[in-house]
Amino acid sequence: KQEVTQIPAALSVPEGENLVLNCSFTDSAIYNLQWFRQDPGKGLTSLLLIQSSQREQTSGRLNASLDKSSGRSTLYIAASQPGDSATYLCASNLQGTALIFGKGTTLSVSS
Amino acid sequence: GAVVSQHPSWVICKSGTSVKIECRSLDFQATTMFWYRQFPKQSLMLMATSNEGSKATYEQGVEKDKFLINHASLTLSTLTVTSAHPEDSSFYICSARAFREPNQPQHFGDGTRLSIL
Repeated sequence: KQEVTQIPAALSVPEGENLVLNCSFTDSAIYNLQWFRQDPGKGLTSLLLIQSSQREQTSGRLNASLDKSSGRSTLYIAASQPGDSATYLCASNLQGTALIFGKGTTLSVSS
Repeated sequence: GAVVSQHPSWVICKSGTSVKIECRSLDFQATTMFWYRQFPKQSLMLMATSNEGSKATYEQGVEKDKFLINHASLTLSTLTVTSAHPEDSSFYICSARAFREPNQPQHFGDGTRLSIL
């Protein structure tokens, strides 16, 4: 059964820093790898979706990469801002199955 | 496009009450809907997968008689928490996937915060 692990569990950085969030998954036969943002008490906001045939996706200051062979994905946030403070969730699914989520990385960006 | 509406967004009720949560795909047909539960400071845990017109498949440890799922149409799934107790208090989130596209993204509702007194 697919398992998703995220490191670190929490991260605090000063504004302006570039940072990397890590995600690993046990089954490399994934179809989709998706990164979400969740603000306290709120639902999910989809940030980036990488399909199995892709290696990376970019949106603004965010870049997500996927290495299926090693079972890893990273989310790179450039020039972090206080508004980036949230919990970031990584999730992946196998063919036709539901997304399985990691426990998330809680990011705090101080001004 | 691909909007999923979940209702209600917040509910408080007494112990022993049954609570129904609705999940609708507004602008697409969803063959498959998923229900997740999230306890405070924890991640989303898949509860069940619901296919239109058939019985839901529950994850290990989820009581199917307590969490009743109905997926009677291609745009609506409901989760009923029967005889809810304080330990059922949680954030419930539904997700839907487009008809005949099993590897397309899942689209998520905004969640329902359930508090049982």
